[in-house]
Amino acid sequence: DAGVIQSPRHEVTEMGQEVTLRCKPISGHNSLFWYRQTMMRGLELLIYFNNNVPIDDSGMPEDRFSAKMPNASFSTLKIQPSEPRDSAVYFCASSLDSIYGYTFGSGTRLTVV
Amino acid sequence: AQTVTQSQPEMSVQEAETVTLSCTYDTSESDYYLFWYKQPPSRQMILVIRQEAYKQQNATENRFSVNFQKAAKSFSLKISDSQLGDAAMYFCAVSGSSNTGKLIFGQGTTLQVKP
Repeated sequence: DAGVIQSPRHEVTEMGQEVTLRCKPISGHNSLFWYRQTMMRGLELLIYFNNNVPIDDSGMPEDRFSAKMPNASFSTLKIQPSEPRDSAVYFCASSLDSIYGYTFGSGTRLTVV
Repeated sequence: AQTVTQSQPEMSVQEAETVTLSCTYDTSESDYYLFWYKQPPSRQMILVIRQEAYKQQNATENRFSVNFQKAAKSFSLKISDSQLGDAAMYFCAVSGSSNTGKLIFGQGTTLQVKP
């Protein structure tokens, strides 16, 4: 298996632009998680899905952030409009069950200038 | 609610020596799992070791072992015979037992390995 695949690996955008981050979970995994990592706040859980349904989005910082999972093999995290404080590394992870742990993608480093 | 606290922002160890990273947690779940993840400079998150809370026996993976004290809600990681490749940030994490369980991380400990 190729693991969790995230794209792009790096993204530089101007303030006010729309940004879309993409994630392909491991086939057969039924839970998908989006995290944001910054020096100040560490690893924050933004939202997670189970069987393509959003279960908990309480970590989404504000209405500028939205996430979708239209099918079991694809998810997006969108920021519109983007702001410099959104600059961070965004990770996607998937899991079959808690007991087996969580597999992370390589992350997307987002820089908003 | 779940919280994880790693009180050591940075640690250092001499190559071939042993080091212990501390972690305490709090959870309202009756059953849960605990993890240590490693994040090297490549930023990839790598699972090091996991522990089922219902198991009393401490988990071991080669040079990595844990000291799980359920009553004290403590979950420390011991790295034996430290190697230069062990240098990384280490995160302690807890998740609930359901298949929708979310993984909550501590702040991380940066481990330096001195040759």
